[in-house]
Amino acid sequence: NAGVTQTPKFQVLKTGQSMTLQCAQDMNHNSMYWYRQDPGMGLRLIYYSASEGTTDKGEVPNGYNVSRLNKREFSLRLESAAPSQTSVYFCASSEGRLTYEQYFGPGTRLTVT
Amino acid sequence: QQPVQSPQAVILREGEDAVINCSSSKALYSVHWYRQKHGEAPVFLMILLKGGEQKGHEKISASFNEKKQQSSLYLTASQLSYSGTYFCGTGRLSGSRLTFGEGTQLTVNP
Repeated sequence: NAGVTQTPKFQVLKTGQSMTLQCAQDMNHNSMYWYRQDPGMGLRLIYYSASEGTTDKGEVPNGYNVSRLNKREFSLRLESAAPSQTSVYFCASSEGRLTYEQYFGPGTRLTVT
Repeated sequence: QQPVQSPQAVILREGEDAVINCSSSKALYSVHWYRQKHGEAPVFLMILLKGGEQKGHEKISASFNEKKQQSSLYLTASQLSYSGTYFCGTGRLSGSRLTFGEGTQLTVNP
Protein backbone atom coordinates (compact mmCIF):
# COMPACT_ATOMS: atom_id res chain seq x y z
CA ASN A 1 0.00 0.00 0.00
CA ALA A 2 1.95 3.01 -1.29
CA GLY A 3 -0.62 5.67 -0.25
CA VAL A 4 -0.22 8.85 -2.32
CA THR A 5 2.66 8.96 -4.79
CA GLN A 6 3.93 11.97 -6.74
CA THR A 7 6.32 12.32 -9.64
CA PRO A 8 8.75 13.90 -10.11
CA LYS A 9 10.30 14.68 -6.71
CA PHE A 10 12.34 17.61 -8.04
CA GLN A 11 12.12 19.68 -11.20
CA VAL A 12 13.82 22.78 -12.58
CA LEU A 13 12.09 24.65 -15.40
CA LYS A 14 12.90 27.72 -17.40
CA THR A 15 10.32 30.50 -17.63
CA GLY A 16 7.75 29.64 -20.28
CA GLN A 17 8.29 25.88 -20.23
CA SER A 18 5.43 23.53 -19.48
CA MET A 19 5.21 20.40 -17.36
CA THR A 20 2.76 18.02 -15.73
CA LEU A 21 2.95 16.85 -12.13
CA GLN A 22 1.55 13.38 -11.61
CA CYS A 23 -0.28 12.10 -8.55
CA ALA A 24 -1.77 8.69 -7.84
CA GLN A 25 -3.43 7.12 -4.78
CA ASP A 26 -4.16 3.46 -4.07
CA MET A 27 -6.64 3.93 -1.21
CA ASN A 28 -9.77 4.09 -3.37
CA HIS A 29 -10.37 7.66 -2.20
CA ASN A 30 -13.01 9.81 -3.83
CA SER A 31 -11.48 13.25 -3.32
CA MET A 32 -8.10 14.51 -4.46
CA TYR A 33 -6.36 17.88 -4.02
CA TRP A 34 -3.39 19.90 -5.24
CA TYR A 35 -1.74 22.37 -2.83
CA ARG A 36 1.27 24.60 -3.06
CA GLN A 37 3.42 25.56 -0.10
CA ASP A 38 5.77 28.53 -0.20
CA PRO A 39 8.56 28.99 2.39
CA GLY A 40 7.17 29.74 5.84
CA MET A 41 3.63 29.61 4.54
CA GLY A 42 0.68 27.36 4.94
CA LEU A 43 -0.88 25.18 2.29
CA ARG A 44 -2.86 26.92 -0.42
CA LEU A 45 -5.33 24.94 -2.48
CA ILE A 46 -4.85 25.14 -6.24
CA TYR A 47 -7.52 22.74 -7.53
CA TYR A 48 -9.46 19.86 -6.14
CA SER A 49 -11.62 17.00 -7.34
CA ALA A 50 -14.42 16.08 -4.94
CA SER A 51 -15.20 12.94 -6.92
CA GLU A 52 -14.18 11.23 -10.13
CA GLY A 53 -15.27 13.31 -13.10
CA THR A 54 -15.37 16.67 -11.30
CA THR A 55 -12.78 19.37 -10.72
CA ASP A 56 -13.05 22.76 -9.06
CA LYS A 57 -10.84 25.78 -8.52
CA GLY A 58 -9.26 26.45 -5.17
CA GLU A 59 -7.71 29.62 -3.80
CA VAL A 60 -4.87 30.03 -6.33
CA PRO A 61 -5.81 28.37 -9.67
CA ASN A 62 -4.33 30.92 -12.09
CA GLY A 63 -1.61 29.45 -14.30
CA TYR A 64 -2.61 25.83 -13.63
CA ASN A 65 -4.87 23.19 -15.10
CA VAL A 66 -5.84 19.77 -13.76
CA SER A 67 -7.14 16.46 -15.03
CA ARG A 68 -8.83 13.77 -12.96
CA LEU A 69 -7.80 10.94 -15.25
CA ASN A 70 -9.62 8.24 -13.27
CA LYS A 71 -10.36 7.58 -9.62
CA ARG A 72 -6.69 6.93 -8.84
CA GLU A 73 -4.93 9.73 -10.73
CA PHE A 74 -5.04 13.51 -10.59
CA SER A 75 -2.51 15.54 -12.59
CA LEU A 76 -1.53 19.21 -12.40
CA ARG A 77 -0.26 21.04 -15.48
CA LEU A 78 1.69 24.25 -15.72
CA GLU A 79 1.24 25.53 -19.27
CA SER A 80 3.80 28.36 -19.17
CA ALA A 81 5.85 28.31 -16.00
CA ALA A 82 6.67 31.58 -14.19
CA PRO A 83 9.16 32.24 -11.37
CA SER A 84 6.16 32.93 -9.07
CA GLN A 85 5.27 29.24 -9.41
CA THR A 86 8.46 28.17 -7.66
CA SER A 87 7.12 26.20 -4.73
CA VAL A 88 6.64 22.78 -3.19
CA TYR A 89 3.55 21.06 -4.58
CA PHE A 90 1.63 18.51 -2.53
CA CYS A 91 -1.05 16.19 -3.75
CA ALA A 92 -3.51 14.81 -1.21
CA SER A 93 -6.47 12.48 -1.15
CA SER A 94 -9.35 11.73 1.21
CA GLU A 95 -12.22 9.29 1.38
CA GLY A 96 -14.73 12.12 1.30
CA ARG A 97 -14.92 15.81 1.93
CA LEU A 98 -14.68 17.73 5.21
CA THR A 99 -15.18 14.88 7.69
CA TYR A 100 -12.31 12.75 6.45
CA GLU A 101 -8.58 13.13 6.97
CA GLN A 102 -6.38 14.03 4.04
CA TYR A 103 -3.38 11.92 3.16
CA PHE A 104 -0.52 13.81 1.56
CA GLY A 105 2.04 12.70 -0.98
CA PRO A 106 5.77 13.39 -0.47
CA GLY A 107 5.72 16.58 -2.58
CA THR A 108 7.38 17.92 -5.71
CA ARG A 109 9.93 20.68 -5.29
CA LEU A 110 9.69 22.92 -8.37
CA THR A 111 12.06 25.74 -9.25
CA VAL A 112 11.34 28.08 -12.17
CA THR A 113 14.29 30.19 -13.32
CA GLN B 1 -10.91 33.18 4.49
CA GLN B 2 -7.69 31.94 6.05
CA PRO B 3 -7.87 30.97 9.74
CA VAL B 4 -5.48 32.71 12.12
CA GLN B 5 -3.13 30.58 14.21
CA SER B 6 -1.41 31.64 17.41
CA PRO B 7 1.27 31.64 18.55
CA GLN B 8 3.42 31.71 15.41
CA ALA B 9 6.20 29.85 17.20
CA VAL B 10 6.79 28.24 20.57
CA ILE B 11 9.82 26.62 22.19
CA LEU B 12 9.40 24.03 24.93
CA ARG B 13 11.50 21.77 27.07
CA GLU B 14 10.64 18.10 26.98
CA GLY B 15 7.74 17.37 29.31
CA GLU B 16 6.19 20.84 29.09
CA ASP B 17 2.72 21.57 27.75
CA ALA B 18 1.62 23.79 24.87
CA VAL B 19 -1.60 25.14 23.41
CA ILE B 20 -2.02 26.18 19.78
CA ASN B 21 -5.06 28.18 18.76
CA CYS B 22 -6.89 28.46 15.45
CA SER B 23 -9.55 31.14 14.88
CA SER B 24 -11.85 31.87 11.99
CA SER B 25 -14.17 34.76 11.20
CA LYS B 26 -16.61 32.38 9.48
CA ALA B 27 -18.92 29.72 10.91
CA LEU B 28 -17.12 26.39 10.82
CA TYR B 29 -18.22 22.84 10.23
CA SER B 30 -14.93 21.05 10.69
CA VAL B 31 -11.41 21.74 11.93
CA HIS B 32 -8.47 19.55 10.93
CA TRP B 33 -5.05 19.52 12.56
CA TYR B 34 -1.86 18.37 10.80
CA ARG B 35 1.79 18.27 11.77
CA GLN B 36 4.62 18.75 9.27
CA LYS B 37 8.26 18.01 9.95
CA HIS B 38 10.92 19.86 8.00
CA GLY B 39 11.16 18.61 4.42
CA GLU B 40 8.28 16.17 4.83
CA ALA B 41 4.59 16.05 3.99
CA PRO B 42 1.90 17.08 6.47
CA VAL B 43 0.53 14.23 8.58
CA PHE B 44 -3.00 14.05 9.96
CA LEU B 45 -3.52 14.44 13.72
CA MET B 46 -7.14 15.20 14.43
CA ILE B 47 -10.54 16.21 13.10
CA LEU B 48 -13.16 18.04 15.12
CA LEU B 49 -16.66 18.40 13.81
CA LYS B 50 -19.55 20.71 14.56
CA GLY B 51 -21.69 18.86 17.06
CA GLY B 52 -18.77 17.52 19.03
CA GLU B 53 -17.52 14.45 17.20
CA GLN B 54 -13.78 14.10 17.40
CA LYS B 55 -11.38 11.72 15.74
CA GLY B 56 -7.70 11.72 16.37
CA HIS B 57 -4.51 11.14 18.12
CA GLU B 58 -4.06 9.27 21.40
CA LYS B 59 -1.56 11.65 23.02
CA ILE B 60 -2.76 14.99 21.68
CA SER B 61 -6.16 16.48 22.32
CA ALA B 62 -8.18 19.35 20.94
CA SER B 63 -11.32 21.36 21.49
CA PHE B 64 -13.73 23.09 19.15
CA ASN B 65 -15.75 26.09 20.32
CA GLU B 66 -18.43 26.46 17.66
CA LYS B 67 -19.77 29.76 19.00
CA LYS B 68 -16.35 31.40 18.89
CA GLN B 69 -15.30 29.64 15.65
CA GLN B 70 -12.15 28.59 17.42
CA SER B 71 -10.20 25.40 17.97
CA SER B 72 -7.32 24.70 20.31
CA LEU B 73 -4.76 21.90 20.12
CA TYR B 74 -3.34 20.69 23.43
CA LEU B 75 0.04 18.98 23.56
CA THR B 76 0.76 17.66 27.04
CA ALA B 77 4.02 16.26 28.37
CA SER B 78 5.70 17.13 25.10
CA GLN B 79 8.22 14.78 23.55
CA LEU B 80 11.10 15.55 21.18
CA SER B 81 9.05 13.95 18.40
CA TYR B 82 6.39 16.64 18.77
CA SER B 83 8.67 19.19 17.08
CA GLY B 84 7.37 20.45 13.76
CA THR B 85 4.94 22.92 12.26
CA TYR B 86 1.29 22.51 13.18
CA PHE B 87 -1.41 23.57 10.74
CA CYS B 88 -5.11 23.90 11.24
CA GLY B 89 -7.44 23.55 8.28
CA THR B 90 -11.02 24.79 8.49
CA GLY B 91 -14.06 23.79 6.48
CA ARG B 92 -17.49 25.28 6.12
CA LEU B 93 -20.69 23.27 5.81
CA SER B 94 -21.42 24.62 2.34
CA GLY B 95 -17.95 23.84 1.06
CA SER B 96 -15.90 20.88 -0.05
CA ARG B 97 -12.44 22.06 0.84
CA LEU B 98 -10.20 23.14 3.69
CA THR B 99 -8.50 26.49 4.18
CA PHE B 100 -5.23 26.21 6.08
CA GLY B 101 -3.65 28.62 8.53
CA GLU B 102 -0.03 29.73 8.24
CA GLY B 103 1.16 27.29 10.85
CA THR B 104 2.70 27.27 14.33
CA GLN B 105 6.31 26.17 14.60
CA LEU B 106 6.85 24.05 17.72
CA THR B 107 10.33 23.18 18.94
CA VAL B 108 10.84 20.76 21.80
CA ASN B 109 14.31 20.77 23.33
CA PRO B 110 15.82 18.16 25.68
